[in-house]
Amino acid sequence: GAVVSQHPSRVICKSGTSVKIECRSLDFQATTMFWYRQFPKQSLMLMATSNEGSKATYEQGVEKDKFLINHASLTLSTLTVTSAHPEDSSFYICSARDSGGGYTFGSGTRLTVV
Amino acid sequence: AQSVTQPDIHITVSEGASLELRCNYSYGATPYLFWYVQSPGQGLQLLLKYFSGDTLVQGIKGFEAEFKRSQSSFNLRKPSVHWSDAAEYFCASFSSGSARQLTFGSGTQLTVLP
Repeated sequence: GAVVSQHPSRVICKSGTSVKIECRSLDFQATTMFWYRQFPKQSLMLMATSNEGSKATYEQGVEKDKFLINHASLTLSTLTVTSAHPEDSSFYICSARDSGGGYTFGSGTRLTVV
Repeated sequence: AQSVTQPDIHITVSEGASLELRCNYSYGATPYLFWYVQSPGQGLQLLLKYFSGDTLVQGIKGFEAEFKRSQSSFNLRKPSVHWSDAAEYFCASFSSGSARQLTFGSGTQLTVLP
């Protein structure tokens, strides 16, 4: 079945630095990928829709300059958290729409900003 | 706007007992519906999905769900729960628009008693 690989699974960074999270579709091409943020014991909040070869579409309230999304190929989308602050600490999950019409999710990245 | 509601925040069942997790949607046309399961610190795994056809859908791990248009529901069921089923369960649906972003319910935490 479709597999989405997300790295790293955990990252700790200092306040003010940037962190890049990668999301790869391993056995299928994903023209569209999605980035979610999840707070403890809460549901997933869609941050942005990543489209291969074009600019990402951000949800209302999400700072596009802080959360940079690049979808340079059909199998890779990256989310860069720039100038990270403790309030950016969260669980970030990517997903891709697979050929079966469903959505395959990565295993998530736990970001801790200290 | 489309929404997905999971009325139960937390459900506790004994191992071997039957399970039903509720999900209601609000969408004018026939929705595309999904159930996902999430273990702590992990991504989401697809249990089953409904696009069209037979309203009773079989999924993995012995789960099934029934689409009832008259009740705007897509409840998840399992006849006999195992301790390994303890996790967070999310119901989700396509939102309108060409990007077909998933809209998630707030989730139901399942605890299984020995």
